[in-house]
Amino acid sequence: ELKVEQNPLFLSMQEGKNYTIYCNYSTTSDRLYWYRQDPGKSLESLFVLLSNGAVKQEGRLMASLDTKARLSTLHITAAVHDLSATYFCAPTGGQGGKLIFGQGTELSVKP
Amino acid sequence: GAVVSQHPSWVICKSGTSVKIECRSLDFQATTMFWYRQFPKQSLMLMATSNEGSKATYEQGVEKDKFLINHASLTLSTLTVTSAHPEDSSFYICSARARHAQFFGPGTRLTVL
Repeated sequence: ELKVEQNPLFLSMQEGKNYTIYCNYSTTSDRLYWYRQDPGKSLESLFVLLSNGAVKQEGRLMASLDTKARLSTLHITAAVHDLSATYFCAPTGGQGGKLIFGQGTELSVKP
Repeated sequence: GAVVSQHPSWVICKSGTSVKIECRSLDFQATTMFWYRQFPKQSLMLMATSNEGSKATYEQGVEKDKFLINHASLTLSTLTVTSAHPEDSSFYICSARARHAQFFGPGTRLTVL
């Protein structure tokens, strides 16, 4: 059974700083997703990582995947307040491509 | 990108009543849809996988007789919470799979009084 662990679970950052969120998963997965969730809202897709070594960047966010280490990272560069949200990683696990979500990382960016 | 809608966006009901939530893929066909439940400050928990034209596959611990899923067409899946109780109050989110991506609906907030 696929298990997913994110850390940290809570992250308070100052604007302009850099930080990384880590996502470890327990068994082989063929792809991994990152999502953003604002309070009271559904999920917004950020990245899908399909292969070992995949790196994707959008604005101040960059995601990478190491399938051998079963690790994905979400790196935040020069954080701004608008990035405050909860971030989830979700590798696929089991039949049918179902997603197994990490616990989420609640990010708060303060001026 | 692909759009998934849910209806209603919120619902308040009395304990013991049943509530139906619809999930539609608006601009693509989805043979597979997924239903998740999210309690406050928690992650999303997969409840079931909905397959068009066949029975849904439920995750361990999810009561199939309480959470009825019907996926009668390639663009519509429904989740019916039967005999709802206050502990069923939650945020229900569906997703539909298309190519390499999963697209999420806006969610339905259920409050059972």
